[in-house]
Amino acid sequence: KAGVTQTPRYLIKTRGQQVTLSCSPISGHRSVSWYQQTPGQGLQFLFEYFSETQRNKGNFPGRFSGRQFSNSRSEMNVSTLELGDSALYLCASSLMGHNSPLHFGNGTRLTVT
Amino acid sequence: DQQVKQNSPSLSVQEGRISILNCDYTNSMFDYFLWYKKYPAEGPTFLISISSIKDKNEDGRFTVFLNKSAKHLSLHIVPSQPGDSAVYFCAASVGGSGYALNFGKGTSLLVTP
Repeated sequence: KAGVTQTPRYLIKTRGQQVTLSCSPISGHRSVSWYQQTPGQGLQFLFEYFSETQRNKGNFPGRFSGRQFSNSRSEMNVSTLELGDSALYLCASSLMGHNSPLHFGNGTRLTVT
Repeated sequence: DQQVKQNSPSLSVQEGRISILNCDYTNSMFDYFLWYKKYPAEGPTFLISISSIKDKNEDGRFTVFLNKSAKHLSLHIVPSQPGDSAVYFCAASVGGSGYALNFGKGTSLLVTP
């Protein structure tokens, strides 16, 4: 079974631009979550989608948004990029149900200059 | 506010010995705990989990212990192998769900031959 696929792997953007990251979950997984990893803050929860609906949201500004499509694929968008948005963005999928672990993709490394 | 803490940034163990990685949490509502392993340039890989109704869970060389009264969990790896060298993250969530995880900042384990 194919794992979680994230594209692109690397991205370089300039301050003020916007960016869209893509995630394809494991087949059959309907829940998709996004996390930001930085050296200072570690892994932080951004948001989670299930059946095209955002069910949970972390403590991030409104510049961070996402969506999920009917095939469970998800996109994450960051508008008006700031230098501090440079990070590894990780997507994870899971089966629904109690105590279902997250399975992560290899991430998109975003650098904002 | 870091609700999951891994106080040892790094740990070095000889091959064949036991590796013990520790994790403390502050939120008494957490009821589902997980350990992930992460290699450079890859996403975190799920290792093992435990729900708050148990105090121990084993999977091969990996055992997780949960002490709810002390709000402490630990991961034991026996015997340790050089391929276990990676960063280990402890994570916790409320409601038994796997998606809104609170992560520790990780412990870098080095297993030497």
